[in-house]
Amino acid sequence: KNEVEQSPQNLTAQEGEFITINCSYSVGISALHWLQQHPGGGIVSLFMLSSGKKKHGRLIATINIQEKHSSLHITASHPRDSAVYICAVRAGNQFYFGTGTSLTVIP
Amino acid sequence: DVKVTQSSRYLVKRTGEKVFLECVQDMDHENMFWYRQDPGLGLRLIYFSYDVKMKEKGDIPEGYSVSREKKERFSLILESASTNQTSMYLCASSPPGGGYGYTFGSGTRLTVV
Repeated sequence: KNEVEQSPQNLTAQEGEFITINCSYSVGISALHWLQQHPGGGIVSLFMLSSGKKKHGRLIATINIQEKHSSLHITASHPRDSAVYICAVRAGNQFYFGTGTSLTVIP
Repeated sequence: DVKVTQSSRYLVKRTGEKVFLECVQDMDHENMFWYRQDPGLGLRLIYFSYDVKMKEKGDIPEGYSVSREKKERFSLILESASTNQTSMYLCASSPPGGGYGYTFGSGTRLTVV
């Protein structure tokens, strides 16, 4: 049983498309993180959310605490957005991670 | 620019060798973590530390140990490397309570032959 489920696992999009990645979790959380991992392996923290919505450039992250669900949106997608996107939740002193969504944006 | 630095990007070791993976952060963070990442399994926590000389087991500590003698350095030790420890190892750090300061290193891809 996974505490964090992401969908889809793999996603291919044409440049310019609007992209949504979903994350559902089953534990009570204090925060949810969206992480980006490029092919080289390094991971960057994109957002930390505990409620509502955050926006950074073309990236938007939302969370619905009652439904235990978060979405990451990418507007006007670009090939440089190609990466693995990982949802992680913090529950007390524990972090739980989704298995990631592999996004490929084709020019 | 805050940083978590892992000493090696790629490492190849033989079965039975003792392996040290080093992680250094320059953000004065209290919390440090070691994860391994495997296809289809995501990130799994091996060990974490909330303070100097303090360590706690994560989800998969078997076959590993850690050392935190200084606040900025957290070492992962494979006592006797085995082929099933071939993986990507990621170090992370955060201030107390997590938050935006949760920062990952660039990873070490370890192959045990």
